[in-house]
Amino acid sequence: DGGITQSPKYLFRKEGQNVTLSCEQNLNHDAMYWYRQDPGQGLRLIYYSQIVNDFQKGDIAEGYSVSREKKESFPLTVTSAQKNPTAFYLCASRLGGAAEQYFGPGTRLTVT
Amino acid sequence: KQEVTQIPAALSVPEGENLVLNCSFTDSAIYNLQWFRQDPGKGLTSLLLIQSSQREQTSGRLNASLDKSSGRSTLYIAASQPGDSATYLCAVILWSIGNEKLTFGTGTRLTIIP
Repeated sequence: DGGITQSPKYLFRKEGQNVTLSCEQNLNHDAMYWYRQDPGQGLRLIYYSQIVNDFQKGDIAEGYSVSREKKESFPLTVTSAQKNPTAFYLCASRLGGAAEQYFGPGTRLTVT
Repeated sequence: KQEVTQIPAALSVPEGENLVLNCSFTDSAIYNLQWFRQDPGKGLTSLLLIQSSQREQTSGRLNASLDKSSGRSTLYIAASQPGDSATYLCAVILWSIGNEKLTFGTGTRLTIIP
């Protein structure tokens, strides 16, 4: 079954701790993305990567970090520097160019 | 700065009716536009992608149109069913090699009343 997996579905952390969200795809897509979704707001782009070993900041990259060591994987680390980390995080991928974008099921992060 | 607006924010219609969801954007220099649905607590499911050179795309009971000059797209749902209840989002895409930008609307929450 081809698709995008995100784990875990729910994640709870104490304030001040870093946490890494997993995103894996077996679609052979070149580009991968991380978004954040908050109630009443549209999705906001955190980071994206169009090719392995390269990534660019999106609109709200502060307090987040990523890596793209493999084509299939694009983990997102939410650092303690992120002021309001509680949100729904969505990973997406695209074959290339401006092709259709596909999303994973999301991870809901709660930081207390 | 590209802004994407979806009005209304919520819509309720009786089952069986046809309906139209709206998406407007401020910068007409888009590469393409994509419509998604999102069920509560879930990821986004792609419905239709319209390239900037296209006027419309169809998939089953769904038809999406694009008018770049006026900065508008519509998603038409025919013969609505309770299973169509979800939030519908549009996203406009600006793209060039090495650079891309997706901007999402805040969505229309659709409820189909049985």
